[in-house]
Amino acid sequence: GENVGLHLPTLSVQEGDNSIINCAYSNSASDYFIWYKQESGKGPQFIIDIRSNMDKRQGQRVTVLLNKTVKHLSLQIAATQPGDSAVYFCAENMSSGTYKYIFGTGTRLKVLA
Amino acid sequence: DVKVTQSSRYLVKRTGEKVFLECVQDMDHENMFWYRQDPGLGLRLIYFSYDVKMKEKGDIPEGYSVSREKKERFSLILESASTNQTSMYLCASSSGQGRAEAFFGQGTRLTVV
Repeated sequence: GENVGLHLPTLSVQEGDNSIINCAYSNSASDYFIWYKQESGKGPQFIIDIRSNMDKRQGQRVTVLLNKTVKHLSLQIAATQPGDSAVYFCAENMSSGTYKYIFGTGTRLKVLA
Repeated sequence: DVKVTQSSRYLVKRTGEKVFLECVQDMDHENMFWYRQDPGLGLRLIYFSYDVKMKEKGDIPEGYSVSREKKERFSLILESASTNQTSMYLCASSSGQGRAEAFFGQGTRLTVV
């Protein structure tokens, strides 16, 4: 897989390869981060989250990495499958003050057979 | 499973009509949100509510109002629909504790003609 930032909205990956999707978040006070997957015509679905006291969290075939120094978040998908084709976006949230989420604009992942 | 249900998947309305979008969640969540999603702009917050009868403006509240008379239901109202309100509308809910994922409905694709 190839690293892309949100200024490149589409990532094409061969089936079976690993995918890496990046996100630069905006607020240094954010302490909770979420990755969502949105398939065409559907609402966003939760994939994985991470709190600011961690720098890595693993789920089933997915890993989220958090670098607070540079305010960067990444989602790694192992052995990408056709069903992973979707738009992926990150969200940041603060545990105090406001309950609002700030969403990234998203990256479209295309899985090539 | 958490369920957030939006009353319509697709709506077509005429300019000047008053439009109601309904959202119901079944997890007793304190927070509810209305977003619109447009290509290249990501999710933008219209209004949110952190309790019954409480509401706060989001980033783009102009032309919209909301109602939360019961904890499980959050309605978005377009007072006088205009063509620039053609969009995908997403409702979400989350628990009031902070550091909690937002759960989304399936979205309502509104077209104003």
